[in-house]
Amino acid sequence: RKEVEQDPGPFNVPEGATVAFNCTYSNSASQSFFWYRQDCRKEPKLLMSVYSSGNEDGRFTAQLNRASQYISLLIRDSKLSDSATYLCVVKVPQGAQKLVFGQGTRLTINP
Amino acid sequence: NAGVTQTPKFRVLKTGQSMTLLCAQDMNHEYMYWYRQDPGMGLRLIHYSVGEGTTAKGEVPDGYNVSRLKKQNFLLGLESAAPSQTSVYFCATLPGDTEAFFGQGTRLTVV
Repeated sequence: RKEVEQDPGPFNVPEGATVAFNCTYSNSASQSFFWYRQDCRKEPKLLMSVYSSGNEDGRFTAQLNRASQYISLLIRDSKLSDSATYLCVVKVPQGAQKLVFGQGTRLTINP
Repeated sequence: NAGVTQTPKFRVLKTGQSMTLLCAQDMNHEYMYWYRQDPGMGLRLIHYSVGEGTTAKGEVPDGYNVSRLKKQNFLLGLESAAPSQTSVYFCATLPGDTEAFFGQGTRLTVV
């Protein structure tokens, strides 16, 4: 089983739609959780951190469920500019801080 | 990301040639990582370092070596390049329990 798993998609949704991604992780000792966005094989950029209480940043909402070991990302009122690959990232304390990436979910917003 | 610089940005190698990728950071971060990204595979950890003079293997270390002689630099070496090492390589740094910072990537083609 992969340490971090995501639905690779692709997701093709119309502009204005709501889209949700899930990500599961296998290491219960995982400490920190993030969603990154990556455009056209450029470097990943932080979209948002994910906290146990859930957090929201504009149209984006992230949730963490430690009991079920999954995190989610919700994008409301999607824009064309949201088209990208979304990477789930988990920080695992294995002797050192190790970042483990999911394979990414490709999202395309259609006009 | 002005704080993490990768060189070179592009390179074409012949099978069997060697090369070194340099990751330089000016943020005084302890943790540094080398990843490779292949289509549909997400980012996979090659090697990482938790501080000057220390390195450790990641998920896919075979065919690569690393060194961290200075805190600000993390070098990734390919002693004898193979076509399977054609990929996009990303360096990342981590200050602690916050987000990672990425270099812009190195596109390597081995022919």
